[in-house]
This record gives sequence, C-alpha cells and structure tokens, in this order.
Amino acid sequence: KQEVTQIPAALSVPEGENLVLNCSFTDSAIYNLQWFRQDPGKGLTSLLLIQSSQREQTSGRLNASLDKSSGRSTLYIAASQPGDSATYLCAVRPGTYKYIFGTGTRLKVLA
Amino acid sequence: EAGVAQSPRYKIIEKRQSVAFWCNPISGHATLYWYQQILGQGPKLLIQFQNNGVVDDSQLPKDRFSAERLKGVDSTLKIQPAKLEDSAVYLCASSLYDEQFFGPGTRLTVL
Repeated sequence: KQEVTQIPAALSVPEGENLVLNCSFTDSAIYNLQWFRQDPGKGLTSLLLIQSSQREQTSGRLNASLDKSSGRSTLYIAASQPGDSATYLCAVRPGTYKYIFGTGTRLKVLA
Repeated sequence: EAGVAQSPRYKIIEKRQSVAFWCNPISGHATLYWYQQILGQGPKLLIQFQNNGVVDDSQLPKDRFSAERLKGVDSTLKIQPAKLEDSAVYLCASSLYDEQFFGPGTRLTVL
C-alpha cells in the first residue's frame, strides 16, 4: 500500500533563504508526482507535475526533483518570500487512477 | 479559462441532517474528483469519475455518501445522514490529462 510522508510538518525560515521540502513515498512504481500549494481556507494550487520518466521540473523560483528508486521528491524554493507562506502538499499517482496525498509541510517565511 | 467552481463555500448542519455539494469542473475536463480534507491532513480521494462513469469509489462511505455526475459535466456529492466526523473541507478537482486543478472547497461543519 502506497504511503506518502512529508517532513518536516512545519518550517519557519527568514526571508531570502533557499529551502527544501521533502516528500517520501513507499512504492517506487509511480506514474507521476504533483506538488501543490494550499493557502488557509483555500483550495489547492498546482505548482509542478513530474512524470515518472522525468527527473525534475522547474517553474520560476521553484524546482522539483524526483528520484523514484529512493522514493523521494524534493521541492526547492529559491530566495523565499513572505508570500510563499502556505502549506505545501505532494501527491503521487501510483499507476492507478488514484492520487495519494501527503499531510503537507506548513511553511512560514518571516519578513 | 474559468477554474473549478464549487458551492456552497460554507455549510453548517446538525448531525443526522443531509447536505449536498455541487461542483462544475473546467470545461472539457473528462476526469472529476471529490476529496475530503480533515483539518491537518492531506486530501483523501472519495470518488473519481471519468466522464460520467465511476473509476474509483473505494474510499466512499457508501452507506451515507453518494455522488453523481450528470452528462459528464457537473457533479453533486451528498451526505445523508451526516455524522460529526464528516466535518471537513470537501474539495472538487478536475483534470484533462494528469494535472489536477482544484476548486476552493466547501467547508462543512456538523454540530
């Protein structure tokens, strides 16, 4: 059974710092992995989608990597800003239609 | 392009009452998902539609939850009767290929 873990559960960093969020999954047989951002009281916003054949995806200050063999994905945020404060969730699609979400990392960027 | 629409945004009911949520996906998106997100957790898939057929409803509590997708477009999720543990945010998402796009969610409080 696929399980998705995100550590740490919460993180506070000063503005301008580069940071890495982690996502681990127990079964390497995944179809793709998607990173989301969720602001308080809001729905999820898609950040990056990585197909199983890809190693990384980039969008602006965000870079997501995927290592299927080790069951890990990282989301790198460069030069963090207070506006990046949110909960970041990863979701894996294990080859079936279903997506399985982690519990998220709550990020706070201090001005 | 319009996003995923959901209504109502908030709903407060008493236990044993019934409630219904509505979702209008992005135009042309064949796949529609309903998720339940309990506070502090990641979203959990309740049901997934491909056009108007059910692909996965393995985690839908079928004794009290039901969902339909009329003509492969709009969808409704119903709870009858509601229990205290149904208090959560109900998220609707849609996708054309792999990337999921989420609506703002409906926050349900069961008293």
